[in-house]
Amino acid sequence: GENVEQHPSTLSVQEGDSAVIKCTYSDSASNYFPWYKQELGKGPQLIIDIRSNVGEKKDQRIAVTLNKTAKHFSLHITETQPEDSAVYFCAASSSGGSYIPTFGRGTSLIVHP
Amino acid sequence: NAGVTQTPKFRILKIGQSMTLQCTQDMNHNYMYWYRQDPGMGLKLIYYSVGAGITDKGEVPNGYNVSRSTTEDFPLRLELAAPSQTSVYFCASSYSRSGSHNEQFFGPGTRLTVL
Repeated sequence: GENVEQHPSTLSVQEGDSAVIKCTYSDSASNYFPWYKQELGKGPQLIIDIRSNVGEKKDQRIAVTLNKTAKHFSLHITETQPEDSAVYFCAASSSGGSYIPTFGRGTSLIVHP
Repeated sequence: NAGVTQTPKFRILKIGQSMTLQCTQDMNHNYMYWYRQDPGMGLKLIYYSVGAGITDKGEVPNGYNVSRSTTEDFPLRLELAAPSQTSVYFCASSYSRSGSHNEQFFGPGTRLTVL
């Protein structure tokens, strides 16, 4: 089955800096890669996703890049703000896996004012 | 739309007791999921359902049971609660069909403690 590795487990940055979270996956058939943000005491919420026919996608201060050859994808947050502090999860899924996503272990992002 | 709702928000159980965690979605999603989240361990899939009447095991199904009699509801049953089942439980739903993945919508979670 699919295996998703996520790094780092904790990331501490100063407000205004950029933050990068990286994930690798094992199943070459995976073709959908969502990123979720989980604020304290809440359920995860989708912030951005990318499909295998696209190499990069941006939405304001966040972007995701995908390298299918190397089987890794990354989340980039620019101009970080204190409200970006949360746990971020990457995931990967494929049609062959009945669309059931496999999640990484999460990255706790702390943005210091 | 209320989205995905879960009840209760918190619960303390004694070892050996049983309970049902309720989950309802009003988005007409075909897929529903149950996850548990332990500190530093991410989300582990317990059971999932691809439609009413169909359920399947995830990564950590032991000690749990589910049913899906309607599109909207996906209750999770704990029989003979054990301390190892202390966790935060999330229900999620999504709409997926052939050739199309879509985002999961998560409920607010149920924090369960077994003493």
